Amino acid sequence: QQQVKQSPQSLIVQKGGIPIINCAYENTAFDYFPWYQQFPGKGPALLIAIRPDVSEKKEGRFTISFNKSAKQFSLHIMDSQPGDSATYFCAASMEWGAQKLVFGQGTRLTINP
Amino acid sequence: NAGVTQTPKFQVLKTGQSMTLQCAQDMNHEYMSWYRQDPGMGLRLIHYSVGAGITDQGEVPNGYNVSRSTTEDFPLRLLSAAPSQTSVYFCASSYSKRTGNNEQFFGPGTRLTVL
Repeated sequence: QQQVKQSPQSLIVQKGGIPIINCAYENTAFDYFPWYQQFPGKGPALLIAIRPDVSEKKEGRFTISFNKSAKQFSLHIMDSQPGDSATYFCAASMEWGAQKLVFGQGTRLTINP
Repeated sequence: NAGVTQTPKFQVLKTGQSMTLQCAQDMNHEYMSWYRQDPGMGLRLIHYSVGAGITDQGEVPNGYNVSRSTTEDFPLRLLSAAPSQTSVYFCASSYSKRTGNNEQFFGPGTRLTVL
């Protein structure tokens, strides 16, 4: 049972483009939605996170859009760079159960120069 | 701070062998967790702990044991390794009482192969 579904599995974008990665969740008790970035051979690192009381959050070139009624959230990367090439994971948890994250399947993003 | 450290980085086991994956953190975090990462499946929670002496099961606990005798350490034991346990294992820690920050930090991972 996959509680968080992520798409696409892989994505190739030209430098400067805006890759968009989508996630959908089932459990309405989730109220903490982080995105993680993982480079080869490394552990995931927190990129940006949102709670469902807001519909959008921006940090630098990274934006999360959140649609509570549709139970969907997405990551947008503005002005993408080759250094953004990595695997991205969405996740969800109940607020103070943030140590009990449920992850999406991951998206391998490639930014071509 | 070293953050979250894991040893070993790589390990090859034969079916039926046992071993312990080590995890330590120096951030005074209350919570620690173990995940496994398999291709196309993201990360799945194996076991977690909300403090010394307190552990609980995650999504895929079978074949693994944990204990938390100190705040800093959270070892993961494979009791009798099986090929299905071939995976990359990540330890994570979170929650500082001092700052209230609940961000989860991950270690660099242990790549385990069971033959």
